[in-house]
Amino acid sequence: AQSVTQLGSHVSVSEGALVLLRCNYSSSVPPYLFWYVQYPNQGLQLLLKYTSAATLVKGINGFEAEFKKSETSFHLTKPSAHMSDAAEYFCAVSGPTGGGNKLTFGTGTQLKVEL
Amino acid sequence: DVKVTQSSRYLVKRTGEKVFLECVQDMDHENMFWYRQDPGLGLRLIYFSYDVKMKEKGDIPEGYSVSREKKERFSLILESASTNQTSMYLCASTDSGNTIYFGEGSWLTVV
Repeated sequence: AQSVTQLGSHVSVSEGALVLLRCNYSSSVPPYLFWYVQYPNQGLQLLLKYTSAATLVKGINGFEAEFKKSETSFHLTKPSAHMSDAAEYFCAVSGPTGGGNKLTFGTGTQLKVEL
Repeated sequence: DVKVTQSSRYLVKRTGEKVFLECVQDMDHENMFWYRQDPGLGLRLIYFSYDVKMKEKGDIPEGYSVSREKKERFSLILESASTNQTSMYLCASTDSGNTIYFGEGSWLTVV
């Protein structure tokens, strides 16, 4: 069984400040991990994914995430927030084999960026 | 670019109506999914399909059924819509590459 916990349903940062969105996972098999972003009234867009290669993963729009097996974490970071980063972010996990690659999602973190 | 198209973005239906949500993908993906998204609950898997005419229940299949007669099309059916099915529905597809591509979503309101 797989699960994902996103700590903090709402995060607020100032423009230019560090963005840190937390994600912890539980998986009985080596996981594949994903971060998706959702802008208002749109579907989900892939930011980045971890698939057992490098533990530090770089994604689009300046985001990156680090896989830490010892902490079962996959936190999303961005050094300097921009107003356009305001959106909802979802962490997700899937197993590397079978299951049709279906994802189990966290409950989401709404990121607000203030001037 | 992969494109997953959900034909209806906004629907309003009456309680007890039969509702069809259609999804088409243009990349010959074998796997397709229907998720439901609700505030504070994230995305929950309703049904998924590995191939034509094949379907499997996800985490919340009650009150829903699906149809996959062609590889590119995956339909979600609400046999008798109820107000607790008011939600945003997201279709998705993937090949074996572990990246899932999502449609824009269908907002369904049941009154």
